[in-house]
Amino acid sequence: IVMTQSPATLSVSPGERATLSCRASQSFSANLAWYQQKPGQAPRLLIYGTSTRATGIPTRFSGSGSGTEFTLTINNLQSEDFAVYYCQQYSNWPLTFGGGTKVEIK
Amino acid sequence: EVQLWESGGGLVQPGGSLRLSCTASGFTFTDYALSWVRQAPGKGLEWVSAISRGADTIYYADSVKGRFSTSRDNYKNTLYLQLNSLRAEDTAVYFCAKADYSSFFNYWGQGTLVTVSS
Repeated sequence: IVMTQSPATLSVSPGERATLSCRASQSFSANLAWYQQKPGQAPRLLIYGTSTRATGIPTRFSGSGSGTEFTLTINNLQSEDFAVYYCQQYSNWPLTFGGGTKVEIK
Repeated sequence: EVQLWESGGGLVQPGGSLRLSCTASGFTFTDYALSWVRQAPGKGLEWVSAISRGADTIYYADSVKGRFSTSRDNYKNTLYLQLNSLRAEDTAVYFCAKADYSSFFNYWGQGTLVTVSS
C-alpha cells in the first residue's frame, strides 16, 4: 500500500490549526498511525488506530478518516509542534510510511 | 522505563557487511514484536524488517530482501540486523522500534548511522 502525504510543507502561525492529509493507494481498515519527528530525534507515536491518541499526547492532536483518506489535525499549534509528521499503515505487509509533511512556522 | 539502544553502525564499503544490535530494557522482551526502520539522510522513514515475538515470523521490505537478515535473542533481550551486500542507497540511520499489540511503534531507539561508501 503506497501512502501519499500532502502537502509536503505546511506553513502555519502559532495558535492556528494545521490539517495534514494521508492518502492510501488502496482501502484498508483503521490500522493507521501518525508520528512526529523533530531534527536529530527518533519519531514519536502520536495516533494509532486512526484516531486514538498515544499515551501523553495532548488533546490538540486528533486523527480521523477511513478507507483511503486520513487526516491529522493539530489545533492551537504550539511552538513544540513544528516538526515533520508521518503516517504509517499497518494493515498489510509490507508496512509503509508516507513521505512526510513538514509543519513550519509561518 | 522502556529503552532501546542501537549499536553497530559505521562506515562500510559497497558490497560489505555489518551487524546492528538493539538492546532493550524496561519491558518483557518476549511479549512484543520488533522492527527495524531506516531513514536516509534528509529523507523519510522506510520500514525494513519485522520479527515476531518468538522469531517464527519475519518480514522484509523488498529493497532489502535476500541481503538483510533479522534475528533476536530473547535471553539477551537483543534484536539484530545483519546487513550484507551493502549498497550506497542503504546509507541511513537505522532505528529499532517496539511494536505495540499491532504493528505500529510506540517506542523507538535513537538510531545508529550506517554509511556505505568507498
